[in-house]
Amino acid sequence: DAGVTQSPTHLIKTRGQHVTLRCSPISGHKSVSWYQQVLGQGPQFIFQYYEKEERGRGNFPDRFSARQFPNYSSELNVNALLLGDSALYLCASSFGSDTGELFFGEGSRLTVL
Amino acid sequence: AQTVTQSQPEMSVQEAETVTLSCTYDTSESDYYLFWYKQPPSRQMILVIRQEAYKQQNATENRFSVNFQKAAKSFSLKISDSQLGDAAMYFCAYRGRSSNYKLTFGKGTLLTVNP
Repeated sequence: DAGVTQSPTHLIKTRGQHVTLRCSPISGHKSVSWYQQVLGQGPQFIFQYYEKEERGRGNFPDRFSARQFPNYSSELNVNALLLGDSALYLCASSFGSDTGELFFGEGSRLTVL
Repeated sequence: AQTVTQSQPEMSVQEAETVTLSCTYDTSESDYYLFWYKQPPSRQMILVIRQEAYKQQNATENRFSVNFQKAAKSFSLKISDSQLGDAAMYFCAYRGRSSNYKLTFGKGTLLTVNP
């Protein structure tokens, strides 16, 4: 069975640009969460979606947005990129909205120049 | 807000030896879960072991075991018979009932296994 898949794996953007990151959860999983991992730090929670509804949001500015589609895949959008947005963006899926066991993808490495 | 602290940025162990990684956390909740995740250079975060706070018995998964001290808010990971494949970044994480949708991670401990 396929695990959590994310695309693209690497990308480079310049300040002020926009980026869209994509995530496909494990088949049967209805919840998708997004985490930002800055180099040398632990992941920080950005969003969780369950059944296409936002269930939680971390302490991130409004430049960050996300959505979940009917097939449970998800997109994370970041507008007006800043140098500080450079990070590994991890997507995780779970069957339910409150299960603690998350299955992570390999992440999208974003570099902002 | 809950916090998770890993006081050891780096640890090293000889192959076949035992190593313990430390983690402390701060919370006012009584119902929560604790986790250890492993992140190898491939970047994918892999669940190593989980512990429910209401269970007094320490969780064990093969060579991995935890020492859960609820009163002290301590949750250490012991790796026995260390193998080269255990080399990775290890993260301690917390999930509380009041924040059932998110994990709070520590900063991680980089484990090196020497042959």
